[in-house]
Amino acid sequence: GNSVTQMEGPVTLSEEAFLTINCTYTATGYPSLFWYVQYPGEGLQLLLKATKADDKGSNKGFEATYRKETTSFHLEKGSVQVSDSAVYFCALTFNQAGTALIFGKGTTLSVSS
Amino acid sequence: DTAVSQTPKYLVTQMGNDKSIKCEQNLGHDTMYWYKQDSKKFLKIMFSYNNKELIINETVPNRFSPKSPDKAHLNLHINSLELGDSAVYFCASSQGRSGRNTIYFGEGSWLTVV
Repeated sequence: GNSVTQMEGPVTLSEEAFLTINCTYTATGYPSLFWYVQYPGEGLQLLLKATKADDKGSNKGFEATYRKETTSFHLEKGSVQVSDSAVYFCALTFNQAGTALIFGKGTTLSVSS
Repeated sequence: DTAVSQTPKYLVTQMGNDKSIKCEQNLGHDTMYWYKQDSKKFLKIMFSYNNKELIINETVPNRFSPKSPDKAHLNLHINSLELGDSAVYFCASSQGRSGRNTIYFGEGSWLTVV
């Protein structure tokens, strides 16, 4: 079946540290890949996405590259801020009717000053 | 203006009660969803409607019944609430049936069953 696996959290970093959150997927076909972020007490917001192999999604200093050969979509940021503290979800879906996002279990990021 | 709005945001109720969560979107989208986030923050699709037609119906107890009076609204009614129904329920919307279209989420409805 289709699934998304994220690294276990929580991830604890100091401000300005480099961030990597690993995400790998299993899919029958060619999915689109997404990163969503959930700030404390809020809903999910789309952070970035990539719809085909080798695409790079980027937003707010975060980026992730769709790697078909390793079935991965790792999230990176060069210098995290306290305001980046949140739960990050990797997700996939397909370009066909009647499909919905399949989420990983989420990774909690905590950034301290 | 909030794009996808849900009410209520917080709901505490007793086991056995029936409750509804309402959702409205003002994005002009034709597809709406309900997702459930459990205590471990795991998110899973429950239902999806496209132009008032049910297109996704995952394995959920039939105590949960979605209703879409028009394409801008998707309500979730839950009968005979159980402790295990305690979760955050997210409404979402997108344009078109394709899963690739960006999905916009509401802020969630925190349901606690006591």
